[in-house]
Amino acid sequence: EPEVTQTPSHQVTQMGQEVILRCVPISNHLYFYWYRQILGQKVEFLVSFYNNEISEKSEIFDDQFSVERPDGSNFTLKIRSTKLEDSAMYFCASIGGTTEAFFGQGTRLTVV
Amino acid sequence: GQNIDQPTEMTATEGAIVQINCTYQTSGFNGLFWYQQHAGEAPTFLSYNVLDGLEEKGRFSSFLSRSKGYSYLLLKELQMKDSASYLCAVRGDAGNMLTFGGGTRLMVKP
Repeated sequence: EPEVTQTPSHQVTQMGQEVILRCVPISNHLYFYWYRQILGQKVEFLVSFYNNEISEKSEIFDDQFSVERPDGSNFTLKIRSTKLEDSAMYFCASIGGTTEAFFGQGTRLTVV
Repeated sequence: GQNIDQPTEMTATEGAIVQINCTYQTSGFNGLFWYQQHAGEAPTFLSYNVLDGLEEKGRFSSFLSRSKGYSYLLLKELQMKDSASYLCAVRGDAGNMLTFGGGTRLMVKP
C-alpha cells in the first residue's frame, strides 16, 4: 500500500538553528500539507501546497517557515531559526483528490 | 471561524459499545473525517461523511447531521487495542485542509 514517508523520525536542534523536515508524499497525489501537534495538544494545520505553490496557510506559518517541492517527489518544511515553542510532532499529509488525507509517521522536533 | 468540540476523555469496557460525539461550527463544510491516533503515532483514517446519515465500516460507524453540525463515531465490540485518541476533523471551504478537534482519548478497560 502506498504511504507518505517522512525523515528524520526525530530531530534535536539548538534554538536559533535552521531545520529542514522532509516528506515524500504518495506519488500520484496533488495536494500536500504540513500539520503540527504539540505534545498533548490538537493537530494544527500549518500550510497546504498545490500546483507548486502555497494554497493556504495558518497564522502559525509565519516568516520563519517555508515549504518547497524541490523535485518531483520531495516536499520539505524549513524552519529558519527554531524557537523552543517549535518543539512538536510535524506531520506531512497528501490527498489524491477529494479523498481522505494520508499522514506520514511524523518527525518529532525537539528544540533545546 | 472554525470550532470543533469533542469530549476530552472517555472510558469503556472491553466488548461494549461506545459513542464519541463531535459538534462543529465551521465556515463552509466539505466533509467530516474521523481519525484514530495512538500515542506518538500519526493519525490513521477511519471514516468520512459528507452527506447526512450513517456510514458503517466493520466495527466502526460514523453518523453525520449537517443541519445540527453534529457527528458521532460508534465503536462496537470494543477491544483493548481500540484504546487511542479519536480525532474529529472537518474539511471547510478551501484548499482541502482539515481542521481538527482536540481529540477524545478513549480508554478501554478489561
